[in-house]
Amino acid sequence: GQQVMQIPQYQHVQEGEDFTTYCNSSTTLSNIQWYKQRPGGHPVFLIQLVKSGEVKKQKRLTFQFGEAKKNSSLHITATQTTDVGTYFCAGPRGGSNYKLTFGKGTLLTVNP
Amino acid sequence: GAGVSQSPSNKVTEKGKDVELRCDPISGHTALYWYRQSLGQGLEFLIYFQGNSAPDKSGLPSDRFSAERTGGSVSTLTIQRTQQEDSAVYLCASSLAAVVETQYFGPGTRLLVL
Repeated sequence: GQQVMQIPQYQHVQEGEDFTTYCNSSTTLSNIQWYKQRPGGHPVFLIQLVKSGEVKKQKRLTFQFGEAKKNSSLHITATQTTDVGTYFCAGPRGGSNYKLTFGKGTLLTVNP
Repeated sequence: GAGVSQSPSNKVTEKGKDVELRCDPISGHTALYWYRQSLGQGLEFLIYFQGNSAPDKSGLPSDRFSAERTGGSVSTLTIQRTQQEDSAVYLCASSLAAVVETQYFGPGTRLLVL
């Protein structure tokens, strides 16, 4: 079945360093979504990418969708302690137009 | 309401007992999802409701799990004869439309089966 893999599983950085998490799908995705889950919290939607090669920015966060629409990345510039949490990518599952397959997420910790 | 609400926030139960978890989606959202999140893991899809259509139950792990959605709004996830491996956070999410789009998650119910 469809798999969505994320790497790394964990990342610890010093405040001010950059951070990148990568998402790879075994199948082509019509779109990809990114969510953030703070420790003890619930996932919160960040962004959705739809177009091949799309790049979107939210302040210090840059999201990319690969040309083949099978991979994506989230890059955070100059991390802050407020960036701590687990970042999940998710893509439509098995051709479904309503089910999402989530990656296992990347846990980011930031040392102040 | 302002967001998706779930109750209880925490539930401790003994192995073999039944539990009911409740989800109140955002008003007007026709799509409702249940997920399970084990410690340090991603989200495992359980079931999906859309309007009055038959639910997609393809993610339910066993026949001990069932869910209902009454009146197209509130949903209840029931786990019968709970097992220790059922311990997890159960998350509910709703979205405005039937197609894949932004899902708004509730705070979850943390279930611990002793």
